[in-house]
Amino acid sequence: GNSVTQMEGPVTLSEEAFLTINCTYTATGYPSLFWYVQYPGEGLQLLLKATKADDKGSNKGFEATYRKETTSFHLEKGSVQVSDSAVYFCALTPKSSSNTGKLIFGQGTTLQVKP
Amino acid sequence: SQTIHQWPATLVQPVGSPLSLECTVEGTSNPNLYWYRQAAGRGLQLLFYSVGIGQISSEVPQNLSASRPQDRQFILSSKKLLLSDSGFYLCAYPTRPTGELFFGEGSRLTVL
Repeated sequence: GNSVTQMEGPVTLSEEAFLTINCTYTATGYPSLFWYVQYPGEGLQLLLKATKADDKGSNKGFEATYRKETTSFHLEKGSVQVSDSAVYFCALTPKSSSNTGKLIFGQGTTLQVKP
Repeated sequence: SQTIHQWPATLVQPVGSPLSLECTVEGTSNPNLYWYRQAAGRGLQLLFYSVGIGQISSEVPQNLSASRPQDRQFILSSKKLLLSDSGFYLCAYPTRPTGELFFGEGSRLTVL
């Protein structure tokens, strides 16, 4: 079946540190991959996405590359800020469910950035 | 522009009481609509989805129900709440063509 696995948190970093949040997936075919972010007390917002192998999604200094050979979509940022503190969710939508909104989410990784 | 309104934003209810959470959307027509739940310390679980008025599919057996009385309205209900119904409830619909979800700001339910 389809599934998403994220590294467990919380991840605690100092401001300006390098961030990596690992995400691996299991899916048939070629799913679309997403990272969502949830700031404290808010709903989820799409952070970035990639729809095919070797695509790189990027937004607000965050990047993730769709790696088919390793079935991964790791989230990275070169220099985190306190305002990046949030919960990050990796997700996929199988090709068979594309355009339907049936996303499969990882369990979320909490990031805490200290000044 | 795309907008999802959810209310109430926060709700504290006793066990055994009824529930009604409402979601209305703007900026789209005939959307698929979704209810997700985020329990404390856990990821998101799809509860219900609807492809049109009066059409509801349940993803997991539970104490909740959903209805879609109008194209842009999606309601989550319960006749008798359980402690395990506590959580953060999110309404969403997919944008085209990649199916990424656009979420509302959520309703936080605490059952005591």
